[in-house]
Amino acid sequence: NAGVTQTPKFRVLKTGQSMTLLCAQDMNHEYMYWYRQDPGMGLRLIHYSVGEGTTAKGEVPDGYNVSRLKKQNFLLGLESAAPSQTSVYFCASSSMGLADNMYFGPGTRLTVT
Amino acid sequence: GEDVEQSLFLSVREGDSSVINCTYTDSSSTYLYWYKQEPGAGLQLLTYIFSNMDMKQDQRLTVLLNKKDKHLSLRIADTQTGDSAIYFCAEKEYSSASKIIFGSGTRLSIRP
Repeated sequence: NAGVTQTPKFRVLKTGQSMTLLCAQDMNHEYMYWYRQDPGMGLRLIHYSVGEGTTAKGEVPDGYNVSRLKKQNFLLGLESAAPSQTSVYFCASSSMGLADNMYFGPGTRLTVT
Repeated sequence: GEDVEQSLFLSVREGDSSVINCTYTDSSSTYLYWYKQEPGAGLQLLTYIFSNMDMKQDQRLTVLLNKKDKHLSLRIADTQTGDSAIYFCAEKEYSSASKIIFGSGTRLSIRP
């Protein structure tokens, strides 16, 4: 039982390049989320999904796209990376239980030069 | 809109108690959480409290909720070096899967 895993752990991109971050969970959770963490700003929600085949915008969705083709995977895409997207990206998942404990992945550190 | 605020840094002596404070704005918050982030890792849930509770204790952790003032605190008794981390306060409405709002985190450092 690996919980929530993210690949890659680190990445450096040049401005304008594209990439996809992969999140996988093996807990059969319905909800999955992508957050970005910037110094002094806490975690901000980018996109989220309430089930396979569904996605929705969070607080800061611009410049990102997501897909949830399989229940266990949630992909975050950057079509044309910008320096403002330099951040640490966390994926999380949760069940539909009352307390909705969120399980976080270890994060992906992305630098855009 | 909703907002969660925390001070950025706290330094305590090993063996003392640490108190991390948080204020929130959303009066409809149903659940309030404390998460811990160790260096290079994701967030881990430490504890949570329902909005109809005033206090919750779990071993060295005590959570106090003042709903009138929208103030949440986390007390760590007998603080150890392993408690060094960033602590995030978060609030959630019961009806919304997406609306978990995190504070900016308080970095707790321990002095010998």
